[in-house]
Amino acid sequence: AQTVTQSQPEMSVQEAETVTLSCTYDTSENNYYLFWYKQPPSRQMILVIRQEAYKQQNATENRFSVNFQKAAKSFSLKISDSQLGDTAMYFCAFISTSGTYKYIFGTGTRLKVLA
Amino acid sequence: GAGVSQSPSNKVTEKGKDVELRCDPISGHTALYWYRQSLGQGLEFLIYFQGNSAPDKSGLPSDRFSAERTGGSVSTLTIQRTQQEDSAVYLCASRDSPGGFQETQYFGPGTRLLVL
Repeated sequence: AQTVTQSQPEMSVQEAETVTLSCTYDTSENNYYLFWYKQPPSRQMILVIRQEAYKQQNATENRFSVNFQKAAKSFSLKISDSQLGDTAMYFCAFISTSGTYKYIFGTGTRLKVLA
Repeated sequence: GAGVSQSPSNKVTEKGKDVELRCDPISGHTALYWYRQSLGQGLEFLIYFQGNSAPDKSGLPSDRFSAERTGGSVSTLTIQRTQQEDSAVYLCASRDSPGGFQETQYFGPGTRLLVL
C-alpha cells in the first residue's frame, strides 16, 4: 500500500527566512505525481506545486521549490523569503498513474511564519 | 470562474440526527471527491465520482455514510444517525478528468461538522 509521511507536525520560521518541509512516501510504482497543498486558516486547500515522477528536474513556482529524490522517495518543499501569508498547514500528496484515482495525503505540517 | 462551493460552512447537530452536506463542483468538472479531515489527521478519502460511472465508495467508513451526485454536477454527502466520532471537516474537490491525474484538484472550503 502506498503511504505518505510528514514527520514534522509543526514548524516555525522567521519572516524572510527559508524553511524546508519534509515528505517521504512509499510506493512500488514507477510513474506517479506528487503534490504540495497549502491549507490556510480559511480551510481552502490550494495547490502549491506539483512534480511528475518521470521528470528529473525539480519543480519550482516562484518562492516555492521542491527537492525530489526519487530513489530515496523523498519530496521536500522549500519556501524561500517566507511571508506571513505562508502561515498554514501544508500537505504532501501522492497519486499513482497506474489506474487508481485515489490521492494519498500525509498528515500535514503546520507552518507558522513569525514577524 | 466560480470555484468549488460547499454548504453549510458549519453544522452542529445532535448525536443520532441525520445531516446532509452539499458540494457544488466547478462547472464541467467530471471528477468529484469527498474527503474527511479529522483534527490532526490528513485527508481521508471517502468517495469518488467520475462522470456517469459507478462511484468508488470504498472509503466510506460505515453504512451510515452515503453520497450521490445528481446530473453529474452537485453532490450530497449524507450521514445518518450521526455519532460524535463523525465530527470533522468534510472537504469536496473536483477535477477536470480528461486532463488526467496530473490535473489539479480544486477544493471547496469544507463543512465543519460537530456532533454533540
